[in-house]
Amino acid sequence: DQQVKQNSPSLSVQEGRISILNCDYTNSMFDYFLWYKKYPAEGPTFLISISSIKDKNEDGRFTVFLNKSAKHLSLHIVPSQPGDSAVYFCAASAYFSAAGNKLTFGGGTRVLVKP
Amino acid sequence: SQTIHQWPATLVQPVGSPLSLECTVEGTSNPNLYWYRQAAGRGLQLLFYSVGIGQISSEVPQNLSASRPQDRQFILSSKKLLLSDSGFYLCAWSGGLYSGANVLTFGAGSRLTVL
Repeated sequence: DQQVKQNSPSLSVQEGRISILNCDYTNSMFDYFLWYKKYPAEGPTFLISISSIKDKNEDGRFTVFLNKSAKHLSLHIVPSQPGDSAVYFCAASAYFSAAGNKLTFGGGTRVLVKP
Repeated sequence: SQTIHQWPATLVQPVGSPLSLECTVEGTSNPNLYWYRQAAGRGLQLLFYSVGIGQISSEVPQNLSASRPQDRQFILSSKKLLLSDSGFYLCAWSGGLYSGANVLTFGAGSRLTVL
């Protein structure tokens, strides 16, 4: 049972345009959401997060939107740059879970930014 | 600053051989520690997590085990590897449950190929 889903396995976008990555979740206990970026043969690096008390969080070119009623979040990258080409993972956690800060990850979306 | 080290980076092992992957964290104390696996073309799956020395929780039944002999050391092991154990193994750490840090920081990963 996949509790976090990224339904688009890949995305191709022109440099300078907007990249929109989507993520859906099913567990209503999730209240903290994160996006990670991963290059091949490297560990994922943290990009941006959002708490369930917010519906938007922005950090430079990256903005995450959360729609709790739809159990949906998205990551916008504007403008997209060739260095953004990577796999992006959506992750979720129940912040005060007794099990610690476990993250449940989606399957990832591979982004290719064309020059 | 905190750093996480994971080794070996690459490993090729025959079926039935043992496995030991090691992870250490520096610059913090009492971290939560995690082992994730990324199988080919798939997302990140949580294998084990630990909230303290000697405390190991397993997320999925499998051919692997984990141990935490010291506060900042996390070891992933197997007595007899299977072909299905091939994948990219990632160690991660985070602050404790109420530390306010719900972000996992990942190591560089270990690529395991079982032949």
